[in-house]
Amino acid sequence: GAVVSQHPSRVICKSGTSVKIECRSLDFQATTMFWYRQFPKQSLMLMATSNEGSKATYEQGVEKDKFLINHASLTLSTLTVTSAHPEDSSFYICSADSGVNSYEQYFGPGTRLTVT
Amino acid sequence: DQQVKQNSPSLSVQEGRISILNCDYTNSMFDYFLWYKKYPAEGPTFLISISSIKDKNEDGRFTVFLNKSAKHLSLHIVPSQPGDSAVYFCAAVSGGSNYKLTFGKGTLLTVNP
Repeated sequence: GAVVSQHPSRVICKSGTSVKIECRSLDFQATTMFWYRQFPKQSLMLMATSNEGSKATYEQGVEKDKFLINHASLTLSTLTVTSAHPEDSSFYICSADSGVNSYEQYFGPGTRLTVT
Repeated sequence: DQQVKQNSPSLSVQEGRISILNCDYTNSMFDYFLWYKKYPAEGPTFLISISSIKDKNEDGRFTVFLNKSAKHLSLHIVPSQPGDSAVYFCAAVSGGSNYKLTFGKGTLLTVNP
């Protein structure tokens, strides 16, 4: 149980275009979903926290107009990178919290974004 | 400023021996800690956790020790197995109901047969 999927696993896009990444909790309802970004040999950096039906809470330094997060249902959150630039190239990982076990987040497999 | 530090980027141990992964933190408001394991091209998976009111938590081959005064925790794996080879992340919790996880950079553990 507690499986989180992400789609796509890899995406290459051109500068200036937008990319949408989906995160789904497959066998549980996620009260909260999180979006992280990981640079090579670095830790996972929290970008934003989202609760179903409400606006996401963004971490300091993360542009909310550039990284649009929508948490439309208890099993789906999307991250849209708008007007992508090469510096947005990174590994994006989502996680979900079922609200059952203390602070235990279930992570998706990640999405490798490359902006050319 | 990194609030959770894993100072060893890599660790290599022999199969059957003990693996000790270390983690230090600077924020005294952290009150819960987790260890995650990550294989290449997969998301992190939860391994074990510990509350700040405890100093030890054990689950099979995995034990986490917490030294609050030193702001230090460690993960012990014994006996180590080749399948344990992965990147291990230490994470700390702050924020109560609107919590967030702060991760270290990870330690790559290699268990040699």
